[in-house]
Amino acid sequence: DGGITQSPKYLFRKEGQNVTLSCEQNLNHDAMYWYRQDPGQGLRLIYYSQIVNDFQKGDIAEGYSVSREKKESFPLTVTSAQKNPTAFYLCASSIIGAAYEQYFGPGTRLTVT
Amino acid sequence: RKEVEQDPGPFNVPEGATVAFNCTYSNSASQSFFWYRQDCRKEPKLLMSVYSSGNEDGRFTAQLNRASQYISLLIRDSKLSDSATYLCVVNTGNQFYFGTGTSLTVIP
Repeated sequence: DGGITQSPKYLFRKEGQNVTLSCEQNLNHDAMYWYRQDPGQGLRLIYYSQIVNDFQKGDIAEGYSVSREKKESFPLTVTSAQKNPTAFYLCASSIIGAAYEQYFGPGTRLTVT
Repeated sequence: RKEVEQDPGPFNVPEGATVAFNCTYSNSASQSFFWYRQDCRKEPKLLMSVYSSGNEDGRFTAQLNRASQYISLLIRDSKLSDSATYLCVVNTGNQFYFGTGTSLTVIP
């Protein structure tokens, strides 16, 4: 089955620790995205990538980092510099082109205490 | 001004009712439009793309008005299983912009 996987589903960390969220897709999509969703709010773009070894900051990139070493994988690191890291993190992918929709992974719910 | 705006609701409707959601977008250069459904604590899932001529998928009808820069979603004969948050999504220059979502609860 083609799709996007994210792991883990739930993640708990202590403040001050970096944490890496996994995102893998086997849809052969060139573009991948990371979003953050807070309760009652819309999705906000953190980073996106349209090609291996290249990525761009989204609206709220501060305190986050990404890598794109393989087409299938786009891990997100939430660093200790991120002031409010507790949120629902969603990874998505799409074919590049205006007509194409995004597909989402199941998300990782991160809680930092 | 936000790229995409939606009425957050909530919309509480009885089973069998018809309900309509609207969404406005700010960039006239926006190229493609979608409605997604998001269940509580789950990821958004594509409900339907929105085409200029309007399109229908069973009980769901989506329309696009480029002149007024809004899209709409009509749900006929609402089912309990339609209860969810409906997200309006606009693609502008290969960037996706999301509305905050409209909450729908269908009541028995």
